[in-house]
Amino acid sequence: NAGVTQTPKFRILKIGQSMTLQCTQDMNHNYMYWYRQDPGMGLKLIYYSVGAGITDKGEVPNGYNVSRSTTEDFPLRLELAAPSQTSVYFCASSYAGRQPQHFGDGTRLSIL
Amino acid sequence: KNEVEQSPQNLTAQEGEFITINCSYSVGISALHWLQQHPGGGIVSLFMLSSGKKKHGRLIATINIQEKHSSLHITASHPRDSAVYICAVIPNTGNQFYFGTGTSLTVIP
Repeated sequence: NAGVTQTPKFRILKIGQSMTLQCTQDMNHNYMYWYRQDPGMGLKLIYYSVGAGITDKGEVPNGYNVSRSTTEDFPLRLELAAPSQTSVYFCASSYAGRQPQHFGDGTRLSIL
Repeated sequence: KNEVEQSPQNLTAQEGEFITINCSYSVGISALHWLQQHPGGGIVSLFMLSSGKKKHGRLIATINIQEKHSSLHITASHPRDSAVYICAVIPNTGNQFYFGTGTSLTVIP
């Protein structure tokens, strides 16, 4: 099994550009999450989903959008990239809400 | 304000030493998660616990719910244990994890 797969691994954007970070999991997990990790800070939850068609905001949702049309996929959309969104983004999944999470390898995003 | 505090922030040990990493939190929780972040950035789940103690190989995690404290112990440390160890909690009143900033461990041969 591949687990949680994120693409791309690295990306540089210009201010104001848009992009989608892709995340897919093959473990049939119901819950999926998007986090950002900034230097010296703990992981912060951006959005999460408890199943296909259901999404909810986390701690830092501003500037991002998500959708969950299938169990496997949970893309994260940045509409108007800003320098404050420079970060490492992690997608994770779990079978249920209070279960261990499985993480992707991360996407390192720089906005210049 | 981070609800999860880890100590120490950085730790250097000689190979073979017994290591303890601490995690304190300020709210009632339903579960606590220990994770390991490799130097390359990948994050792996180590333990999920809500009471008592769990052991896996050379790693032991304990939690004291009354004192709002958890420890991660590594016995007979090895250079391959060098990583950032992250503690995360789910509050009783919520359904998302809150993460500490991590403890960076370096084990010297």
